[in-house]
Amino acid sequence: GAVVSQHPSWVICKSGTSVKIECRSLDFQATTMFWYRQFPKQSLMLMATSNEGSKATYEQGVEKDKFLINHASLTLSTLTVTSAHPEDSSFYICSASRGVQETQYFGPGTRLLVL
Amino acid sequence: AQSVTQLGSHVSVSEGALVLLRCNYSSSVPPYLFWYVQYPNQGLQLLLKYTSAATLVKGINGFEAEFKKSETSFHLTKPSAHMSDAAEYFCAVKGGAGSYQLTFGKGTKLSVIP
Repeated sequence: GAVVSQHPSWVICKSGTSVKIECRSLDFQATTMFWYRQFPKQSLMLMATSNEGSKATYEQGVEKDKFLINHASLTLSTLTVTSAHPEDSSFYICSASRGVQETQYFGPGTRLLVL
Repeated sequence: AQSVTQLGSHVSVSEGALVLLRCNYSSSVPPYLFWYVQYPNQGLQLLLKYTSAATLVKGINGFEAEFKKSETSFHLTKPSAHMSDAAEYFCAVKGGAGSYQLTFGKGTKLSVIP
């Protein structure tokens, strides 16, 4: 159990366009989902935490108007990168947990390349 | 505040040799500690976790880690390395039961030499 999927696994887009990434918990209800960003050869940096039905909590330095997070159901959270720029190119990983303090299970990640 | 230090960004071992990946943490409260493995272009897979029960924690794929409070360490070991163990390993800390945020170390890339 505790499988998390992400879609798409990779995406290439033009600068200025918006990209939506989905994160799904396949076999459990995820009260809380987390979004991370990972640059090459670096660790994961938490971007935001979302609880189902509530507004996401963003970490310091993360632009909430640029990285829109929606957690509308117990199995789905979406991250939309609005007006993407080349510096937004990165590996985005989500995780899901049964509760905000429970073990996080990670998705396979989405690689975004903005041209 | 909490932090994680992983000593050695890159570790190489021969197949069949002992694997030792080091992790030291700092936390103002009794921590929960985790080891995750990441294969290329994939997400993180939980290897094992310490949540204030037994100090020696056994995980998947033959890995284990020992929580040593006096040394603020949570080193990951495996008696005999396998080629399939080659991956990036991340140690992470959570500030105990009352916290939700995982803080990750910078990772250690493990190479296994045939």
